[in-house]
Amino acid sequence: QQKVQQSPESLIVPEGGMASLNCTSSDRNVDYFWWYRQHSGKSPKMLMSIFSNGEKEEGRFTVHLNKASLHTSLHIRDSQPSDSALYLCAASMSNYNVLYFGSGTKLTVEP
Amino acid sequence: GGIITQTPKFLIGQEGQKLTLKCQQNFNHDTMYWYRQDSGKGLRLIYYSITENDLQKGDLSEGYDASREKKSSFSLTVTSAQKNEMAVFLCASMGDTYAEQFFGPGTRLTVL
Repeated sequence: QQKVQQSPESLIVPEGGMASLNCTSSDRNVDYFWWYRQHSGKSPKMLMSIFSNGEKEEGRFTVHLNKASLHTSLHIRDSQPSDSALYLCAASMSNYNVLYFGSGTKLTVEP
Repeated sequence: GGIITQTPKFLIGQEGQKLTLKCQQNFNHDTMYWYRQDSGKGLRLIYYSITENDLQKGDLSEGYDASREKKSSFSLTVTSAQKNEMAVFLCASMGDTYAEQFFGPGTRLTVL
């Protein structure tokens, strides 16, 4: 069973709109979440990470974490066509060097 | 800053062939990883290594071998290439636990 589940599988939003992506872990040992972005034909690059309950904002990107439900979400406001990419959620556990990746959400921002 | 290089960029092999992929990093990171990514999907961990000469199996290790002879390099061998494993193989490295993983550009494997 995959440790990290992402939804939706794909998402289309208009330029300037809000994109909301979800991620949940089924492993109660998970204590750190990561969001990576992968443009087509490129390698993944880290966007944001979070380990405390609450939210974290960086520019147009906001990440929420609910540790009780092991649910994190990524929100992109004022979406741009350049945000079109595969968004990967990953989770890790204390003292482990391993990231468990979800299957990704493919975001398309239409001009 | 640093960089991760992967060779070759494209690898074409025959079914049943043994194939080797190489990865080098100059971040001076301790931990290195090999992932497989099928088209448009998430990353699955094949092997990782927390230091020179260390090897740890990931969920997808069957059919693969790995080697970490130096801190800066990590090799992956496909022991017998199969048509259903055409994918992009990504190498990554990480400095400290809870630090960011940095990825190389990938090797695209095609099996004929």
